[in-house]
Amino acid sequence: KAGVTQTPRYLIKTRGQQVTLSCSPISGHRSVSWYQQTPGQGLQFLFEYFSETQRNKGNFPGRFSGRQFSNSRSEMNVSTLELGDSALYLCASSLVDSDYGYTFGSGTRLTVV
Amino acid sequence: AQTVTQSQPEMSVQEAETVTLSCTYDTSENNYYLFWYKQPPSRQMILVIRQEAYKQQNATENRFSVNFQKAAKSFSLKISDSQLGDTAMYFCASPPDSGGSNYKLTFGKGTLLTVNP
Repeated sequence: KAGVTQTPRYLIKTRGQQVTLSCSPISGHRSVSWYQQTPGQGLQFLFEYFSETQRNKGNFPGRFSGRQFSNSRSEMNVSTLELGDSALYLCASSLVDSDYGYTFGSGTRLTVV
Repeated sequence: AQTVTQSQPEMSVQEAETVTLSCTYDTSENNYYLFWYKQPPSRQMILVIRQEAYKQQNATENRFSVNFQKAAKSFSLKISDSQLGDTAMYFCASPPDSGGSNYKLTFGKGTLLTVNP
């Protein structure tokens, strides 16, 4: 079956712009989580959605937002981009929650210049 | 605060040898799951092995096994018969210590493992 699909794979944006990243989970998976990965901070949790509801949110500013659609696809949006937002953004899906582990996508590499 | 500690930033091993990666965590949950993920240069995170905390038996997946010490909150990964394809960054992950414990994972900083021919 198809894995977790993230688009785009690479993105270059200018400071102050906004960006939207997309994630399509494995068919049947209803939980979608987002993580930011940087060399300095490692993997940091952004938020988690289940059946279009945000169940948990990490310690990120309000510029970071997300949503989930009825088909479980998810998007995350970052507004007013800063240089420090440059990172690999990973999406992960699971059937219900993290207990059985995630299946990750290949990530979107965002570079802010 | 919830932390997952991987004390070895980098390790190397010769092909066919055995290597052990260390991890400690500090969740206050009683029933939880622990994970090891690998991230090769292709950057996709892959689940290596999963341990249920209420099971005494250590999990095993082919050449990968864990040494789970619940009281010590230690969860190490042993890779036997190392192969060149095992070269990757390895991350230990556990649930947070309270609230929404199964809605997120906390990851360690990772151990970069290099398998040499």
